[in-house]
Amino acid sequence: ETGVTQSPTHLIKTRGQQVTLRCSSQSGHNTVSWYQQALGQGPQFIFQYYREEENGRGNFPPRFSGLQFPNYSSELNVNALELDDSALYLCASRITEGLQETQYFGPGTRLLVL
Amino acid sequence: SQKIEQNSEALNIQEGKTATLTCNYTNYSPAYLQWYRQDPGRGPVFLLLIRENEKEKRKERLKVTFDTTLKQSLFHITASQPADSATYLCALEGTGGFKTIFGAGTRLFVKA
Repeated sequence: ETGVTQSPTHLIKTRGQQVTLRCSSQSGHNTVSWYQQALGQGPQFIFQYYREEENGRGNFPPRFSGLQFPNYSSELNVNALELDDSALYLCASRITEGLQETQYFGPGTRLLVL
Repeated sequence: SQKIEQNSEALNIQEGKTATLTCNYTNYSPAYLQWYRQDPGRGPVFLLLIRENEKEKRKERLKVTFDTTLKQSLFHITASQPADSATYLCALEGTGGFKTIFGAGTRLFVKA
């Protein structure tokens, strides 16, 4: 196991609603990234947080926002949900071990927007 | 724009053979390249990382090569087993350690 947990595992929302997804990573993993994975595609980078500050963002609109907390947990918030937001949402924590940076992914939250 | 291409068709091989998966990229100069395994309904699991100045890396039955001139990485699984059946994702990352770009993955089926 990676030590990264996500909740909920599955979620159904309707268009226009707001959703909050949660992630908890291992102690000492200061960096967390969020990804969106559509069916049959690779994960797409949404944004990354380091020590509670956003320090990188992919090509996603501002209605995708996040927070990182001192206890190594984080949130992904999506406002004004659209049908195309239906996907698997993954969080990943990073740790540097020697010369190598490794990402540990959680199991994901499957979001369905109707 | 930056693009990563992996074999879109599934790869079917017989148990015991070597599986070779390809990852090609354009418009990018990655600091390193990673390979992940993903099983249905689960998050990706990190397998191997190779840096831009490395040609080859091995870990048990896995071998990765990285050719920055061809902009290509090959991922080999030797003595493949049915348990190796999964989707394998290639990912690139620049310096600074964020904005990992993933390919769409190649589905591998190993038949007993």
